[in-house]
Amino acid sequence: SQQGEEDPQALSIQEGENATMNCSYKTSINNLQWYRQNSGRGLVHLILIRSNEREKHSGRLRVTLDTSKKSSSLLITASRAADTASYFCATDLSNDYKLSFGAGTTVTVRA
Amino acid sequence: DGGITQSPKYLFRKEGQNVTLSCEQNLNHDAMYWYRQDPGQGLRLIYYSQIVNDFQKGDIAEGYSVSREKKESFPLTVTSAQKNPTAFYLCASSSRAFYNEQFFGPGTRLTVL
Repeated sequence: SQQGEEDPQALSIQEGENATMNCSYKTSINNLQWYRQNSGRGLVHLILIRSNEREKHSGRLRVTLDTSKKSSSLLITASRAADTASYFCATDLSNDYKLSFGAGTTVTVRA
Repeated sequence: DGGITQSPKYLFRKEGQNVTLSCEQNLNHDAMYWYRQDPGQGLRLIYYSQIVNDFQKGDIAEGYSVSREKKESFPLTVTSAQKNPTAFYLCASSSRAFYNEQFFGPGTRLTVL
C-alpha cells in the first residue's frame, strides 16, 4: 500500500532556480527517504532522514521532516538540467525491510 | 544502477504465456525486492526476500512467483494468471543493516501483445 503522496505531481523550473517538493504520509514512520529516477531507469537513493531528525543536507539537497504534520520536503538548490527526473519519497513503517513509495514528483529543469 | 543487472531490458509476451525476468546482484546484499511501476504511479512491492531460500509476498503478489536459491539471484516469473502484466519491473537489493537504502537495477519493460 502506498502511504506517501508527493506534491506537486509535476514541476517545471528554470536552470538555477530552486525546486521544492513535498511528501505527506499517513502513519508513524521509522525513516523517510528520497529517491530519484531518470526516465526509463532505476531509482537512485538520495538521502535518508530518521524520525528523530528535523533537517538534513547533502550537497545541493536539503530535506526536512515534520513528524507532527507527517510531512517532508525536498529542496534542490541551484537546479541544473541534469536534475530533470522524477523524485519519490519512501517510508518504512517497521523493521521488516519493506518500503512504501509515493507516486512521485516529475521535475523538469529548463535550460 | 550499481551492481544490479536486470535482463532483458524489453520483453514481449503473448497472452497466456509465463515469462521470467532475471535479477542478479554482486553487492553481497542479503535482501532483494521486486517492484512494479505503472505510469503515473509509484512503486508497488511484489515480493521480497531477506535471506536465501526465504521470501515473502508484497502488496501485489497475485499472478507472480519468485525463487531465491542463490544470494545473488532473485528471478521473477510473471504467470498467465496476472491479468494486466504490462508494466515496468524494477529489482532492488539492500544490506540487512541498511535496508532503507535500496539499490535498483535498470528495469525490465514488459509488454503483453
